[in-house]
Amino acid sequence: EPEVTQTPSHQVTQMGQEVILRCVPISNHLYFYWYRQILGQKVEFLVSFYNNEISEKSEIFDDQFSVERPDGSNFTLKIRSTKLEDSAMYFCASSRGQQPQHFGDGTRLSIL
Amino acid sequence: GDSVTQMEGPVTLSEEAFLTINCTYTATGYPSLFWYVQYPGEGLQLLLKATKADDKGSNKGFEATYRKETTSFHLEKGSVQVSDSAVYFCALSDTVGNDKLIFGTGTRLQVFP
Repeated sequence: EPEVTQTPSHQVTQMGQEVILRCVPISNHLYFYWYRQILGQKVEFLVSFYNNEISEKSEIFDDQFSVERPDGSNFTLKIRSTKLEDSAMYFCASSRGQQPQHFGDGTRLSIL
Repeated sequence: GDSVTQMEGPVTLSEEAFLTINCTYTATGYPSLFWYVQYPGEGLQLLLKATKADDKGSNKGFEATYRKETTSFHLEKGSVQVSDSAVYFCALSDTVGNDKLIFGTGTRLQVFP
């Protein structure tokens, strides 16, 4: 069964540094999402992306965050200047529309 | 805004016991409802879904019925196995696939032999 793949599985970064989290959605999916889960807390929506633009973003998704689909396969989340509170598990998801979202295994981001 | 409330865990059961994990929601419209499961070290996997009132989603022996009158979507399984040990998330979205998911806090299930 096709899967959403995320790399790296664990990223350790110094506070203030830029980080890029990568995702390869399922190939025929059109809708793409990023969520995050701070340790011990609920999974929170960050942003959705369709037709090469952001469809919706949450309050968490401030100017430090950006998303991009640089080619036909990758979907990236960039955090420009990381803060300690950005430490979390980040999940990418994709869907065809009218079908449930499929999630990757996540990237654990640790900010030191 | 829309929200999902789940019972707190952990839920600890012996193998073959009956499982219920409660989930209630608040939504302005008629959302689609989902249960996702997260096994240790893995991502979120869709367990089951229901898209309208009185729909029953089922998969792998798990069931949940969309109850509009009580705004609930409780997860049940008649006989749990050790391999069911995981974190279970209830979620809703405005549509089946196009809109963001709003998750509950998750309920950890531990099943002992």
